[in-house]
Amino acid sequence: DIVMTQSPLSLPVTPGEPASISCRSSQSLLHNKGYDFLDWYLQKPGQSPQLLISLGSNRASGVPDRFSGSGSGTDFTLKISRVEAEDVGVYFCMQSIQIPHTFGQGTKLEIK
Amino acid sequence: QITLKESGPTLVIPTQTLTLTCTFSGFSLITGEVAVGWIRQPPGQGLEWLALIYGNGDKVYRPSLKSRLTITKDTSKNQVVLIMTNMDPVDTATYYCARRQSVTYGFWGQGTLVTVSS
Repeated sequence: DIVMTQSPLSLPVTPGEPASISCRSSQSLLHNKGYDFLDWYLQKPGQSPQLLISLGSNRASGVPDRFSGSGSGTDFTLKISRVEAEDVGVYFCMQSIQIPHTFGQGTKLEIK
Repeated sequence: QITLKESGPTLVIPTQTLTLTCTFSGFSLITGEVAVGWIRQPPGQGLEWLALIYGNGDKVYRPSLKSRLTITKDTSKNQVVLIMTNMDPVDTATYYCARRQSVTYGFWGQGTLVTVSS
């Protein structure tokens, strides 16, 4: 199985400040068609996960532009330019280039 | 509007079989471009992918659980069913179904908590 490793696992952030989450995979997620099979999801408290970023860097519909995804191959980053209170929750990266699809451990973002 | 909703028992006795149903609306599961998958999350823990069924009938399973899982679809009812045999307390989790299209899980159900206990 492809192992997804996130850091940090806990991320306290002051509102208005930026935040960054790293996700590394044990194998390359770059498909031969030229895109990375890497998604980012946010699970807000008491809710199901919601898609933020697909294919490494494509913001999902309705996702604020303060969220951005970057990286390729095995190293990926989710950045929030200015954290807002509504951004609290657990952020997961997920690979779907190989079965089984696997998730990172999750990064819990909290407001200071 | 795309929606998915999971249903099934909230309590399962160890060794019994779990049957979960995902009822969806707003899309059709009839082509290979669309799929519905199951993902679970033990209380306070991370996410674990279980299985996926495409509209063309192709199925894929988590290898470590393949012997215990069966995923099927009923296109006329807009439903996907997941069967998991020989349930154990470690299978206690919230089970989610989600739609997969364009290589991503864009829509998720609210989840259903299944507790395995005698």
